[in-house]
Amino acid sequence: EAQVTQNPRYLITVTGKKLTVTCSQNMNHEYMSWYRQDPGLGLRQIYYSMNVEVTDKGDVPEGYKVSRKEKRNFPLILESPSPNQTSLYFCASSPISKREDTDTQYFGPGTRLTVL
Amino acid sequence: GIQVEQSPPDLILQEGANSTLRCNFSDSVNNLQWFHQNPWGQLINLFYIPSGTKQNGRLSATTVATERYSLLYISSSQTTDSGVYFCAVFAIIQGAQKLVFGQGTRLTINP
Repeated sequence: EAQVTQNPRYLITVTGKKLTVTCSQNMNHEYMSWYRQDPGLGLRQIYYSMNVEVTDKGDVPEGYKVSRKEKRNFPLILESPSPNQTSLYFCASSPISKREDTDTQYFGPGTRLTVL
Repeated sequence: GIQVEQSPPDLILQEGANSTLRCNFSDSVNNLQWFHQNPWGQLINLFYIPSGTKQNGRLSATTVATERYSLLYISSSQTTDSGVYFCAVFAIIQGAQKLVFGQGTRLTINP
């Protein structure tokens, strides 16, 4: 089954304790990205990756890191989480069309993170 | 940067009713998608529709790219249609490739 998976689905942690949220897709998509969703602010892009070893900042990259060592995986790293990073996080992937746009985006199930 | 506006922000209907959700965008786009976020938070891709009309069961969507809007139609609504509907456009903003979301339309279907 074609899918994007994220782990963990729920996480409660404390300020400053490094964490990683994993994202994996089995569709051989080139493009992967991370979003956070906050009430009143909608969905905002954190980082994206056009392919292996190619990553770039989205709208709200501060406090986050990513890596793309393999095509299928795109982990989101919070080196020193703070309470303002409490949010619902989504990973997404899509192929890249000939026009270098992205095609249909497929979203993971979301990770609800609480930083105390 | 590109602006994406959705209307109405909230919509409450009885089961069986039809609805039309609108998405306006401020610039030319090559890529527009509609998503449904169900009450459990999952984002489901409904349509990839940069232009023209598509139908999938009770749902259909039309994008008029030259006039910079898209419409999502839901016919014979069911309670399972409840949730938030987002449109999103792909744009290149200051060299970065971004999927820009509207604020969503919250649809509530009452039995």
